[in-house]
Amino acid sequence: KAGVTQTPRYLIKTRGQQVTLSCSPISGHRSVSWYQQTPGQGLQFLFEYFSETQRNKGNFPGRFSGRQFSNSRSEMNVSTLELGDSALYLCASSTRTSGGGSGELFFGEGSRLTVL
Amino acid sequence: GESVGLHLPTLSVQEGDNSIINCAYSNSASDYFIWYKQESGKGPQFIIDIRSNMDKRQGQRVTVLLNKTVKHLSLQIAATQPGDSAVYFCAEKLSGNTPLVFGKGTRLSVIA
Repeated sequence: KAGVTQTPRYLIKTRGQQVTLSCSPISGHRSVSWYQQTPGQGLQFLFEYFSETQRNKGNFPGRFSGRQFSNSRSEMNVSTLELGDSALYLCASSTRTSGGGSGELFFGEGSRLTVL
Repeated sequence: GESVGLHLPTLSVQEGDNSIINCAYSNSASDYFIWYKQESGKGPQFIIDIRSNMDKRQGQRVTVLLNKTVKHLSLQIAATQPGDSAVYFCAEKLSGNTPLVFGKGTRLSVIA
């Protein structure tokens, strides 16, 4: 079974630009979560999607947005990039159901964004 | 609010020794805890999890201990190997539709 796939793996942008990152979850997983990872802050929760609906959102400004498609693939977008947005963006899928629940997250390799 | 922290940011151990990585959590209502391992250039990988109705769980060479009285979680790795060198994260979760909240991580270095 293929794992979580994130594209692109690396990208460089300049301040003020916007970026879209893509995530394909493990087949059959309907829950997709996004995390931002930086050396100083560790893994910070961005949002979680289930059945095309955002059901959790972390403490990030509105420049960070996401969506999920009917095939469970997800994208996140960051507009008006700032230097501090440089980070590894991790996507994770899980077998969580509509009621939430526990269970491990399966992470992708991440998309490393550098903002110059 | 929720917060998960780690006692030590770095840990160096001799190959073959046992490793203990500690984690403190602040929310006594958390009912699920999980440890992840992240190697350089890779995404976090599941190691072991434990629910709040347990105080110990064992896997292959790993044991997680949960002390709800002091809100403390630990990961024990037996006979540490060079391949165990990585950053280890603990995470906690409340019940229901809530996200996993991660600690900042501990870097484990295994000295051959």
